[in-house]
Amino acid sequence: QQQVKQSPQSLIVQKGGISIINCAYENTAFDYFPWYQQFPGKGPALLIAIRPDVSEKKEGRFTISFNKSAKQFSLHIMDSQPGDSATYFCAASSLDSWGKFQFGAGTQVVVTP
Amino acid sequence: DGGITQSPKYLFRKEGQNVTLSCEQNLNHDAMYWYRQDPGQGLRLIYYSQIVNDFQKGDIAEGYSVSREKKESFPLTVTSAQKNPTAFYLCASSTDTDTQYFGPGTRLTVL
Repeated sequence: QQQVKQSPQSLIVQKGGISIINCAYENTAFDYFPWYQQFPGKGPALLIAIRPDVSEKKEGRFTISFNKSAKQFSLHIMDSQPGDSATYFCAASSLDSWGKFQFGAGTQVVVTP
Repeated sequence: DGGITQSPKYLFRKEGQNVTLSCEQNLNHDAMYWYRQDPGQGLRLIYYSQIVNDFQKGDIAEGYSVSREKKESFPLTVTSAQKNPTAFYLCASSTDTDTQYFGPGTRLTVL
């Protein structure tokens, strides 16, 4: 039973376009929501993270939007570049789970030139 | 340089053989984790350790074993009881309940 559902499974976007990846969760105890970026054959790297006390967080071209009532959060990649082509994972954890993350299944993003 | 190292990068196992994957961190993190990644799936937690000499099973611990004798090291043994061990194995560490930092991974293949 997957506690964090991620969509779409894959995404193709043109250079300069916007990539949007969505995640939904059920456990209302979750209070930390990171996004990770993974290139083939490499370990995931933290991209950006958010807590439920804010509805949006922006770092450069990457923005997390968070909707607590809907139990959804999303990653927006603005002005997508070929170097952004990677697999993106959302995750969620709660303070009482002591760092046990629940990961989404991942979204493979391909940015075409 | 601070970070997490995993070795070997590639590992081949014969049927019935136990193999051990190494994970070392010099970030002074208390917690360490082992994940398994299969194509098209997210990361699944195998074992985690919050402190030296203590560890807990994750969601898919069957067929795996770990030890945590030192803060810096958290080796994972894939035993012969693990029937489908071919996967990409990732080690992570964290200093608190938030951000986890991942190593480069070990790709295990059963021959």
